[in-house]
Amino acid sequence: GQNIDQPTEMTATEGAIVQINCTYQTSGFNGLFWYQQHAGEAPTFLSYNVLDGLEEKGRFSSFLSRSKGYSYLLLKELQMKDSASYLCAVRDSKKDSNYQLIWGAGTKLIIKP
Amino acid sequence: EAQVTQNPRYLITVTGKKLTVTCSQNMNHEYMSWYRQDPGLGLRQIYYSMNVEVTDKGDVPEGYKVSRKEKRNFPLILESPSPNQTSLYFCASGGMGTQYFGPGTRLTVL
Repeated sequence: GQNIDQPTEMTATEGAIVQINCTYQTSGFNGLFWYQQHAGEAPTFLSYNVLDGLEEKGRFSSFLSRSKGYSYLLLKELQMKDSASYLCAVRDSKKDSNYQLIWGAGTKLIIKP
Repeated sequence: EAQVTQNPRYLITVTGKKLTVTCSQNMNHEYMSWYRQDPGLGLRQIYYSMNVEVTDKGDVPEGYKVSRKEKRNFPLILESPSPNQTSLYFCASGGMGTQYFGPGTRLTVL
């Protein structure tokens, strides 16, 4: 079957680093996305990985290992505004549409002063 | 400004009273989609559309209808809403890369 697993909730301290993990099992793979969603708001795009390795974008980095079905989102120099849910989504190449994503339930990140 | 708009943003209704949630995008995207989001369940796809007059069921289509008569619009129709359709609904559009989400519609069915 198809499945995406993320921790439900994580807590971290302002100024610190946090790593949010995502593991997936899909029939095919054509890219992994990370989205940020503040409470009651729309998800917004953070990163996209299709090849193995680390993609860095400012304070945020995302890593992918296709052989392990594993990704993580790394947030550095945490700020209070980073308190949000982080959604992992996979594009399954075996699905009918190349646009369709399989979504994880999201990781709620709580930042403490 | 590139955006996806949804209306209404908030709606409280009663069981059985037909309603429509509108969605419009100005990015000329072919792909549009509707999701519902419930606590602990993440985003679940209701319907999607690959282009005008082309729609298909997502993971939770029961109780919903959609139409795609124009590229920019993709309304979600609840013919006879029930309390289990109380949820936060998002419309999204996108290309091969990212998906752009509307601001959400919080629906309560009493």
